[in-house]
Amino acid sequence: TQLLEQSPQFLSIQEGENLTVYCNSSSVFSSLQWYRQEPGEGPVLLVTVVTGGEVKKLKRLTFQFGDARKDSSLHITAAQPGDTGLYLCAGVGTSYDKVIFGPGTSLSVIP
Amino acid sequence: KAGVTQTPRYLIKTRGQQVTLSCSPISGHRSVSWYQQTPGQGLQFLFEYFSETQRNKGNFPGRFSGRQFSNSRSEMNVSTLELGDSALYLCASSLVDRNTGELFFGEGSRLTVL
Repeated sequence: TQLLEQSPQFLSIQEGENLTVYCNSSSVFSSLQWYRQEPGEGPVLLVTVVTGGEVKKLKRLTFQFGDARKDSSLHITAAQPGDTGLYLCAGVGTSYDKVIFGPGTSLSVIP
Repeated sequence: KAGVTQTPRYLIKTRGQQVTLSCSPISGHRSVSWYQQTPGQGLQFLFEYFSETQRNKGNFPGRFSGRQFSNSRSEMNVSTLELGDSALYLCASSLVDRNTGELFFGEGSRLTVL
């Protein structure tokens, strides 16, 4: 069974601070996705990383896929209140049988 | 381009009843997946349909079922509702890109079982 773990589970920071969220597994994934979910809404895809070691930047967000394609990180620079939400990582199995989600990191950015 | 539409958005049922939720995927998307989201368990995969066939199924009891129609719209049904079925049920559609599997979610149907 493929499982994804995320840390930290909860994070409350002041506006302007930097933070990193981690997503780890003992399994290899063909790709890994990051989603953000706001209250009352469905998750929205932020990025997909496919190649081991890949780094993608989306404005103040930097995503990295581990060399072994088992883990990923999300770094936010100078966090803003609009970054508040639940950040979910999701792994696509190597046989593309299903997309498995981590438990999420709930981020609160205080103005 | 219209997004994924789920109906109803909110519903309240009592134990023992059944419920049917509907999902209309993005036009052109042929894969529809269903997830259950609860505070304690997070997003749990229910099942995936592609071209009217259930392609994958998660670890949920047989009370949870679904189907997909020829126009790719999907429904899921939960029979003999239990209190623990209270959750946000999310539908996601996909172009079925085997490299990325990107999912596009609806806003969900929030089910409360009393």
